[in-house]
Amino acid sequence: KQEVTQIPAALSVPEGENLVLNCSFTDSAIYNLQWFRQDPGKGLTSLLLIQSSQREQTSGRLNASLDKSSGRSTLYIAASQPGDSATYLCAPTTGFQKLVFGTGTRLLVSP
Amino acid sequence: NAGVTQTPKFQVLKTGQSMTLQCAQDMNHEYMSWYRQDPGMGLRLIHYSVGAGITDQGEVPNGYNVSRSTTEDFPLRLLSAAPSQTSVYFCASGLQREQYFGPGTRLTVT
Repeated sequence: KQEVTQIPAALSVPEGENLVLNCSFTDSAIYNLQWFRQDPGKGLTSLLLIQSSQREQTSGRLNASLDKSSGRSTLYIAASQPGDSATYLCAPTTGFQKLVFGTGTRLLVSP
Repeated sequence: NAGVTQTPKFQVLKTGQSMTLQCAQDMNHEYMSWYRQDPGMGLRLIHYSVGAGITDQGEVPNGYNVSRSTTEDFPLRLLSAAPSQTSVYFCASGLQREQYFGPGTRLTVT
């Protein structure tokens, strides 16, 4: 059974810092991996999708990498802003589009 | 496009009552699914559908029923609500690989 762990569980940084969120998964037989953002009381917003054949994907200040063989993905956020404060979830896909979620990293960026 | 919509946003039920959570998408996605989110746990898959007329169970299907008569709609039915079903429910849809989530329904069962 796929298990997903996200470290750290919570992170507090001052504005402007570059930061890395970590995600590890136990079953390397994944189709892809998606990173989401969730604001309090809201739904999930897709940030990045990395196909299993890709090593990384970039969108603006966000860069996600994937090392399938070691069961790891990282989300790099450059020049963090208070508006980046949210919970970040990673979810590898096993089976046909079945997402398996970690419990997330709660990020607080202070001005 | 409205994307993925869910109704209601909030609902309170008494134990034993039944209700249907509605989910609709206007992106012509084949794949739709339901997840529940509980404190301290990741989202867990309840049921999913790969197209109209085709549904299957996810990780935590007990107490829930689904059907998919159209591409657009994927309702989730609670047959006899229990306090353990107090949760936030999210519907998602996708075409090939990327999935998109609705805003959620917060359900409380007393």
